[in-house]
Amino acid sequence: DQQVKQNSPSLSVQEGRISILNCDYTNSMFDYFLWYKKYPAEGPTFLISISSIKDKNEDGRFTVFLNKSAKHLSLHIVPSQPGDSAVYFCAASPYTGNQFYFGTGTSLTVIP
Amino acid sequence: DTAVSQTPKYLVTQMGNDKSIKCEQNLGHDTMYWYKQDSKKFLKIMFSYNNKELIINETVPNRFSPKSPDKAHLNLHINSLELGDSAVYFCASSSRGLNTEAFFGQGTRLTVV
Repeated sequence: DQQVKQNSPSLSVQEGRISILNCDYTNSMFDYFLWYKKYPAEGPTFLISISSIKDKNEDGRFTVFLNKSAKHLSLHIVPSQPGDSAVYFCAASPYTGNQFYFGTGTSLTVIP
Repeated sequence: DTAVSQTPKYLVTQMGNDKSIKCEQNLGHDTMYWYKQDSKKFLKIMFSYNNKELIINETVPNRFSPKSPDKAHLNLHINSLELGDSAVYFCASSSRGLNTEAFFGQGTRLTVV
């Protein structure tokens, strides 16, 4: 039973445009959400996170939006750069902490 | 200096063998994890250890046995390997508490032939 879902396996975007990656979750106990970036043959690396008490968190070109009522979050990358090409995983952690549940990832390709 | 390191990076073995994957973290974290990424790319949690104590054991066959000799190490031992065990296994660690992130190793690609 997958509690975190990323329904788009892939996304292609032109360099300089906005990339929007989406994630849905089902478990109401989740209250901390993270995005990870993964290059081939490497482990996932933390990118940005958001607590359930917020609806937006921004870090440079990366912004995460959280809609708790819809159990939906999204990652916006603007402007997109070729180096952003990677697989992006959404993850969620319950209020008890120390557990991370991941989605299946979205492969982003930024076309120069 | 690598924060979370796993060995080996690649492992090819025959069905029925027993193998181990080692993981070490130098971040001073209390919690360590094992994840499996299968052919569908889903990153699924297998185990979570908090200060050498098993916290999570998701529905994993008992052929998989984690061992934590100290809080900086979490090894994964797999008995009687099967073809379906072929996957990439990731070790991770995090600090104790809420609103923390997990740090991952580079992964071990296990191929069972």
